[in-house]
Amino acid sequence: AQRVTQPEKLLSVFKGAPVELKCNYSYSGSPELFWYVQYSRQRLQLLLRHISRESIKGFTADLNKGETSFHLKKPFAQEEDSAMYYCALNRVNSGNTPLVFGKGTRLSVIA
Amino acid sequence: EPEVTQTPSHQVTQMGQEVILRCVPISNHLYFYWYRQILGQKVEFLVSFYNNEISEKSEIFDDQFSVERPDGSNFTLKIRSTKLEDSAMYFCASSTGDGETQYFGPGTRLLVL
Repeated sequence: AQRVTQPEKLLSVFKGAPVELKCNYSYSGSPELFWYVQYSRQRLQLLLRHISRESIKGFTADLNKGETSFHLKKPFAQEEDSAMYYCALNRVNSGNTPLVFGKGTRLSVIA
Repeated sequence: EPEVTQTPSHQVTQMGQEVILRCVPISNHLYFYWYRQILGQKVEFLVSFYNNEISEKSEIFDDQFSVERPDGSNFTLKIRSTKLEDSAMYFCASSTGDGETQYFGPGTRLLVL
């Protein structure tokens, strides 16, 4: 079975400080990893996915298969980054597969 | 930019009543999903749907639940006889293809009294 672990329920950082939101996964096959973000009163929206290797809003995430991690990083946090962040896993090449979510980390950026 | 829409945004119902939650996926999407999130807990998969049939369902999706695509635009989730523990936020999602990005609706908050 697949599992996604986000160990921090809440992370508070000061504006301008680096941010790292941790995500570890458990899956014996080949996973696809995503970060979704939910701003206050808005829907879940994709922030980034590992296969695209993009940087979105200054955030990056690298898939580390050895450590089974997909941590989300940003060098300088902004107040508008305050939101709920969810790490999610999808099985690759397994049909119409569902996302498996972590419990989420609430990021609070303090001015 | 096209978005997934869901109605109603909130629904309050009595235990034992039937509810139907409605979703309009993005128009060129072919894969549809329902997820739910009980307050304070993680987002959990309920069911996926493709080509007018269920592709996969979780243990949560028991005989009380059903899904339907009654026409070319709507995708519905029916709960036949609601229980208190069905109170949650229900999210619909859609995607263009297998493994592609899933786009989420704003959710329906269901409260069962």
